[in-house]
Amino acid sequence: DGGITQSPKYLFRKEGQNVTLSCEQNLNHDAMYWYRQDPGQGLRLIYYSQIVNDFQKGDIAEGYSVSREKKESFPLTVTSAQKNPTAFYLCASSIGHQEVYGYTFGSGTRLTVV
Amino acid sequence: AQTVTQSQPEMSVQEAETVTLSCTYDTSESDYYLFWYKQPPSRQMILVIRQEAYKQQNATENRFSVNFQKAAKSFSLKISDSQLGDAAMYFCAYRGNYGGSQGNLIFGKGTKLSVKP
Repeated sequence: DGGITQSPKYLFRKEGQNVTLSCEQNLNHDAMYWYRQDPGQGLRLIYYSQIVNDFQKGDIAEGYSVSREKKESFPLTVTSAQKNPTAFYLCASSIGHQEVYGYTFGSGTRLTVV
Repeated sequence: AQTVTQSQPEMSVQEAETVTLSCTYDTSESDYYLFWYKQPPSRQMILVIRQEAYKQQNATENRFSVNFQKAAKSFSLKISDSQLGDAAMYFCAYRGNYGGSQGNLIFGKGTKLSVKP
């Protein structure tokens, strides 16, 4: 079945360490997105990519980095520069950036920094 | 910049009853899309319904329907014959073509819906 796979489901890291969240899709979608979800804050856009080897900052990109070397993969690195990294992270994709039918989401990764 | 506001942090409905979730948005665009997403306890985001702004007819999907008031910039979701499985967080989202959103989805902060048996 086609879909988006995020791994791991739960991730624990020590403060000051970088950590990479995986996002893989087999939907043949061109566009991919990373959102951060905090209680009472809704979903906020971190980074998005419209096509391979291209990505753009979203509203809260500071302290995060991404790469898009393959169409299927859009990993997110949470760096030590991110002041408050503990959150739920959602990856999504769409056929194209201007695609009008909304996004398909992964099941998320809960990151806890201790 | 476009914004999406959900004024009801929490709502409750009796099983089999009807509930309406509110959403307002701010935009200067005339052509855009609106969405309602459901996030159950599993946290998987599921698209419930979408509305194209240039269409006057309100979208419906089985027990889910919207009341789209373009002039008022309002996009409420009505759930009829509520079921226990409808309990979830519901997010309203906006996608425009220009401006600050740059075509990305902008989400409200969500409404947590509880369904009482």
